[in-house]
Amino acid sequence: AQSVTQLDSHVSVSEGTPVLLRCNYSSSYSPSLFWYVQHPNKGLQLLLKYTSAATLVKGINGFEAEFKKSETSFHLTKPSAHMSDAAEYFCVVSDQGKPRYGNKLVFGAGTILRVKS
Amino acid sequence: EAQVTQNPRYLITVTGKKLTVTCSQNMNHEYMSWYRQDPGLGLRQIYYSMNVEVTDKGDVPEGYKVSRKEKRNFPLILESPSPNQTSLYFCASSLSGALAGGRNEQFFGPGTRLTVL
Repeated sequence: AQSVTQLDSHVSVSEGTPVLLRCNYSSSYSPSLFWYVQHPNKGLQLLLKYTSAATLVKGINGFEAEFKKSETSFHLTKPSAHMSDAAEYFCVVSDQGKPRYGNKLVFGAGTILRVKS
Repeated sequence: EAQVTQNPRYLITVTGKKLTVTCSQNMNHEYMSWYRQDPGLGLRQIYYSMNVEVTDKGDVPEGYKVSRKEKRNFPLILESPSPNQTSLYFCASSLSGALAGGRNEQFFGPGTRLTVL
């Protein structure tokens, strides 16, 4: 069964400094991986996704993530944090190898990003 | 506008009083799913539906029912709500289930915050 571990429950950065949100996954099959963002009192928005094409994936708002199979990691980065990036971020794995389960997503516990001015 | 809608957005009820949370999507998506979000646990899947009249249990189905009589609607039913079902609920949909093998992005509704007293 697939699983996701987000290594930090809270991350605090200063505006203009780099952001790193860490994610490790476990999957028996070739995984699809996603990062979703949830702003306070809002729904979830897709930031980016990896589906076995390029290992470096670029998303919206300047975020990117690199799929590293040898490390089973999919860390999210951004060169320069903005105040509007303050939100909760979820790393998500979807199992490509089990049609019965369709589009099942498994979520990490989330990382709350705080951006200081 | 392509979207997933949920109603109601907020609901306070009492133990044992049956309730339904509606979910509707206008994207002609085959796959729909319900999640609950609890602090520190991320989102957990309650039920999902691969297509009309095809539903199956997710990871935390106890105390919930669903139906999929039409492609666009996927209501969540709590026959006898209990306080441990107090949570934030999200409905999601995606283009396809099995054929996509998990590669398709899921679109999320705005959430329904349920409190059971």
